[in-house]
Amino acid sequence: SAVISQKPSRDICQRGTSLTIQCQVDSQVTMMFWYRQQPGQSLTLIATANQGSEATYESGFVIDKFPISRPNLTFSTLTVSNMSPEDSSIYLCSVTDREAGELFFGEGSRLTVL
Amino acid sequence: GQNIDQPTEMTATEGAIVQINCTYQTSGFNGLFWYQQHAGEAPTFLSYNVLDGLEEKGRFSSFLSRSKGYSYLLLKELQMKDSASYLCAVKDSNYQLIWGAGTKLIIKP
Repeated sequence: SAVISQKPSRDICQRGTSLTIQCQVDSQVTMMFWYRQQPGQSLTLIATANQGSEATYESGFVIDKFPISRPNLTFSTLTVSNMSPEDSSIYLCSVTDREAGELFFGEGSRLTVL
Repeated sequence: GQNIDQPTEMTATEGAIVQINCTYQTSGFNGLFWYQQHAGEAPTFLSYNVLDGLEEKGRFSSFLSRSKGYSYLLLKELQMKDSASYLCAVKDSNYQLIWGAGTKLIIKP
């Protein structure tokens, strides 16, 4: 299984600011995803990070709010832009090497927006 | 629409056995996954079923019936550290993962 490092692990942010979360994988992986998990809720897929091209966003999520980069097969970033308290959540990077395979998750980044 | 149902919360006693059920309705099926998530931590992979039947892995087993759209996770010899949320997820025909809301399992001494 891949080892996935996310940073920051947690942060407290002011309303209106932006924060970039980094995800580093110890091996090349085919697919990388960004999830959000709000308190007491299950996982919601934000987008699929595509290497060398624009991310594929799920319904309800847009590039202006959650810009994503994936410059290579081991690294991706998610930016949460113009944050509001509703963005307070855990953001999780996940990877898989096969469409039918299991997902592996980073440790998560817990954001609190004041 | 696509839907996965699992109980919100369950309570069991240390040393006992507990079964967490999951029913699903999805557009196609490419496997069912169980994940464990301790409070404040990321989910960790427990099991994968794509064919009908029981998969056993130590104290944990997972069962699948595709015709019934049903799975369960069986935890034996419960330990306090098994207190966590258990997430059921199904890959649909497009290999999109559909997640259940999770079952919070509380273990009492």
